[in-house]
Amino acid sequence: AQSVAQPEDQVNVAEGNPLTVKCTYSVSGNPYLFWYVQYPNRGLQFLLKYITGDNLVKGSYGFEAEFNKSQTSFHLKKPSALVSDSALYFCAVRAENQAGTALIFGKGTTLSVSS
Amino acid sequence: EAQVTQNPRYLITVTGKKLTVTCSQNMNHEYMSWYRQDPGLGLRQIYYSMNVEVTDKGDVPEGYKVSRKEKRNFPLILESPSPNQTSLYFCASSLWTSGMYNEQFFGPGTRLTVL
Repeated sequence: AQSVAQPEDQVNVAEGNPLTVKCTYSVSGNPYLFWYVQYPNRGLQFLLKYITGDNLVKGSYGFEAEFNKSQTSFHLKKPSALVSDSALYFCAVRAENQAGTALIFGKGTTLSVSS
Repeated sequence: EAQVTQNPRYLITVTGKKLTVTCSQNMNHEYMSWYRQDPGLGLRQIYYSMNVEVTDKGDVPEGYKVSRKEKRNFPLILESPSPNQTSLYFCASSLWTSGMYNEQFFGPGTRLTVL
């Protein structure tokens, strides 16, 4: 069965410091991995995805994520956090060979950036 | 503007009173899906549709129905709502291609309270 784990319910970081939001996954076969962000009272917005190729994926708003197959991880990173990055972040996975099945989301990590 | 719209945004109802939450997208997407978001559980898929007249159950379909008579619309029907269906509901859509690696676009959410 597919699954996604976001081990931290909350991540706190000071503005200007680097941030990492962790995600590990479990799928049969090759994974398609996604990060979404949810601002208060809003729907989810797509940040970035890994399909194949370069393990370092760059996305919106200066975010990037590193795919690590041996550790089955897809951590979200940003070199310098902004207060406006404060939001709820979701990692999601789907297996390459399971078209049409659910996109499995993690439980979410709240990022809080202090000024 | 490309978007997914949901109506209503907020709804308070009573147990057993049938309701429909509408979802519409203007991006000509084949794939549409309904999720519910509950604290500590992340997003869980209720139903999805890969095209007109093609629907299938997600992870938590009990108590819900859907239909896909037109490509742009994917209503969620609760025939006899119960308090455990109190939740935040999101509709999403995406292009459907083999492998399903396309990102999903989310609606703004519908907050449903069943008394």
